[in-house]
Amino acid sequence: SQQGEEDPQALSIQEGENATMNCSYKTSINNLQWYRQNSGRGLVHLILIRSNEREKHSGRLRVTLDTSKKSSSLLITASRAADTASYFCATGEQGGSEKLVFGKGTKLTVNP
Amino acid sequence: DAGVIQSPRHEVTEMGQEVTLRCKPISGHNSLFWYRQTMMRGLELLIYFNNNVPIDDSGMPEDRFSAKMPNASFSTLKIQPSEPRDSAVYFCASSLERFRSPLHFGNGTRLTVT
Repeated sequence: SQQGEEDPQALSIQEGENATMNCSYKTSINNLQWYRQNSGRGLVHLILIRSNEREKHSGRLRVTLDTSKKSSSLLITASRAADTASYFCATGEQGGSEKLVFGKGTKLTVNP
Repeated sequence: DAGVIQSPRHEVTEMGQEVTLRCKPISGHNSLFWYRQTMMRGLELLIYFNNNVPIDDSGMPEDRFSAKMPNASFSTLKIQPSEPRDSAVYFCASSLERFRSPLHFGNGTRLTVT
């Protein structure tokens, strides 16, 4: 079952600009994770934010989580051409098997 | 650390043939996951193991699909018989603690069934 839904589906920006991607989900979660996928490769983990956290940083990445709105955002500052990839949010469902369910991703293109 | 290793990288087979995909997880990781990625359905969890034991196989589409993890360093996903609609990229991933720690993905096996 689809949990997280990313928005927008595609985003094209110029190098140096900031990129913001959003994720909305439906049920209660334990954690929310963001992954990046380059073409033809596997997913690479970026950040994990737990349900009791509101914001997390890693280098040029900033993730926020609003559990009241069931939404998260990923901000990439000062983007580079190498950031071109698809970005996925994945939600760890609370209770039950706590499966990690991935959205369909945002395809980011950073133009040099 | 070599990361999660999958083989083969590409597999082209004819409908009705048996297909076996292989995965070596990261040493020390207790959990192993098989995902399938298609344009239409995105990333779907097929099955996951914890300490070599299958925990949830509710995502396995049909009885034609089976997965095993005979030891902590090896897992297989088998499709028998294969059908064109099985064409997809199959990813294996491993983690330290089920879904509560980051998943480390292999580079996938691109399966084409003609």
